[in-house]
Amino acid sequence: AIRMTQSPSSLSASTGDRVTITCRASQDIVNYLAWFQQKPGKAPKLLISGTSTLQSGVPSRFSGSGSGTDFTLSISSLQSEDFATYYCQQYYNYPPTFGQGTKVEIK
Amino acid sequence: EVQLLESGGGLVHPGKSLRLSCDVSGFTFSDYAMNWVRQAPGKGLEWVSGISGSGGTTHYVDSVKGRFTISRDNSRNTLYLQMDSLRAEDTAIYYCAKSSPVGIYCDYWGHGTLVTVSS
Repeated sequence: AIRMTQSPSSLSASTGDRVTITCRASQDIVNYLAWFQQKPGKAPKLLISGTSTLQSGVPSRFSGSGSGTDFTLSISSLQSEDFATYYCQQYYNYPPTFGQGTKVEIK
Repeated sequence: EVQLLESGGGLVHPGKSLRLSCDVSGFTFSDYAMNWVRQAPGKGLEWVSGISGSGGTTHYVDSVKGRFTISRDNSRNTLYLQMDSLRAEDTAIYYCAKSSPVGIYCDYWGHGTLVTVSS
């Protein structure tokens, strides 16, 4: 199975900060990479697919980039509703695998 | 509006069985692959199993192969997960999730049902 490694595992930031989360795949996954947001007690929510395609309704402050094995999720100006845990997921092949998550906390 | 509603979770002894169900609405069920994804308490997400729209193709993560069976009833708009020989490490919230039309990632998720395996 392809291993997905996110960094950092957690970070503290303030409202208005720019935040970047990195995801590395153990092999080339081209651009078959999705990002999810999960808040406590809630189901994950799809933010981005195909490395950089924002889902309908997702604010434009979220963006994704990368290719091959290295990917990033950026939040240009952190808002209060963005404090959550973020997961990357490869869907290049079965089994689709997730990173371990990055918890974004309030500084 | 897409809706997915899981049921069937609960407390079960190790070695026993449980069947989860997921009732869906808001889209043409038979047109889409479906998945089960789980999350152990305080842990990350793990994809468990997937099934094609027709039900003819299934996939499993290695840790559940031979113990779990995914199926669907397209006439009832319902997805199932039969879980046999349950282990403590299967304890998790189990989410039913719809596959996107263009890749094996999940674009809609249910709220989840908790399965606890304990003696």
